[in-house]
Amino acid sequence: QKEVEQDPGPLSVPEGAIVSLNCTYSNSAFQYFMWYRQYSRKGPELLMYTYSSGNKEDGRFTAQVDKSSKYISLFIRDSQPSDSATYLCAMTTPSGSARQLTFGSGTQLTVLP
Amino acid sequence: DSGVTQTPKHLITATGQRVTLRCSPRSGDLSVYWYQQSLDQGLQFLIQYYNGEERAKGNILERFSAQQFPDLHSELNLSSLELGDSALYFCASSPVEETSETQYFGPGTRLLVL
Repeated sequence: QKEVEQDPGPLSVPEGAIVSLNCTYSNSAFQYFMWYRQYSRKGPELLMYTYSSGNKEDGRFTAQVDKSSKYISLFIRDSQPSDSATYLCAMTTPSGSARQLTFGSGTQLTVLP
Repeated sequence: DSGVTQTPKHLITATGQRVTLRCSPRSGDLSVYWYQQSLDQGLQFLIQYYNGEERAKGNILERFSAQQFPDLHSELNLSSLELGDSALYFCASSPVEETSETQYFGPGTRLLVL
């Protein structure tokens, strides 16, 4: 079993829809949780990161962490065609200056105009 | 543009060969990370260097090695290449603060082993 599980999709939604992306994890030592967006043939870019359980909002994006259930989500409101990309969840357990990220497999999202 | 540069962008080589991938981190970033992305394994952490020293090691094969130089650029050396080593190799860097969780990824090097 992988440490981080993510539904690979693909997910296709109409423009303006609310998108929900999810990951589950098994390692309770994970403390930091991140969402990266990766456009085709590009490097991943950080969208959001959270430390504690609860919600964090940034514009149209909301990250949600439930440590008790080992479950994290990313919500995209009013989705746009430019949001079409692969979304990767990532997690880490900091140890001094060591930062080993464990990624989910990514969910491919297409927002149709 | 993340500020992280990687060269070359594409690399085609044969099995058994050795290649070197290069990464220049963002100005001021002391940490450099290497990742491998393949269709079957996803994005896998290989190794991290912090100010010239190895800090964390992931699923890096013994045929692979890396180093970070005094000017903070890093190189990933892949030797005795196999078909299965074909993948995208990303370098990332993170800011000076040791507690920062933000990693900035470069555009990647696409390696094809024939």
